[in-house]
Amino acid sequence: QKEVEQDPGPLSVPEGAIVSLNCTYSNSAFQYFMWYRQYSRKGPELLMYTYSSGNKEDGRFTAQVDKSSKYISLFIRDSQPSDSATYLCAMRRGLTGGGNKLTFGTGTQLKVEL
Amino acid sequence: EPEVTQTPSHQVTQMGQEVILRCVPISNHLYFYWYRQILGQKVEFLVSFYNNEISEKSEIFDDQFSVERPDGSNFTLKIRSTKLEDSAMYFCASSAKEETQYFGPGTRLLVL
Repeated sequence: QKEVEQDPGPLSVPEGAIVSLNCTYSNSAFQYFMWYRQYSRKGPELLMYTYSSGNKEDGRFTAQVDKSSKYISLFIRDSQPSDSATYLCAMRRGLTGGGNKLTFGTGTQLKVEL
Repeated sequence: EPEVTQTPSHQVTQMGQEVILRCVPISNHLYFYWYRQILGQKVEFLVSFYNNEISEKSEIFDDQFSVERPDGSNFTLKIRSTKLEDSAMYFCASSAKEETQYFGPGTRLLVL
């Protein structure tokens, strides 16, 4: 079983739609969860950063973490064509015990159409 | 807004040659990382660096790889004898603490 699983898509939605992107993971040691956006042939850009379970909202973006189910989500409201990109989930273990490497999902390719 | 920069943006080399990829992390950051992304695959961790030493490395980071912070601003990844399978996008990242990591635009390495 892969440590982090993410549906690669592609996911195509109309402009204005609510987008739901998800990852599951198997390592219960993961404590910090991130979403990155990556445009074609560019570096990952940090969108959201959350610690442990709960919700976090930033503008049109909401990140949810459910540690009991080992499931994280990113919601994008009022999606725009400029949101078209690949969305990567990433996670890392807690500070105690060392290890600050990020483990990434494969990324979900999103296309928002006019 | 401060950002991580990387040079060169593209590098083409012959198999067996040495390459050095350069990064300038965000100025007040203390933790530095290299990741790579083979075309069509996920981003993979290579190495993390703190206080002038490697703090963690992956199985990929074998003896052909090395990292260095030669001065107060640069952070380099050296691949001693490149192989075809080293062809990938290499990303540098930095963080102020062991938390949010900010990525550079990457260096696309092609080994022929």
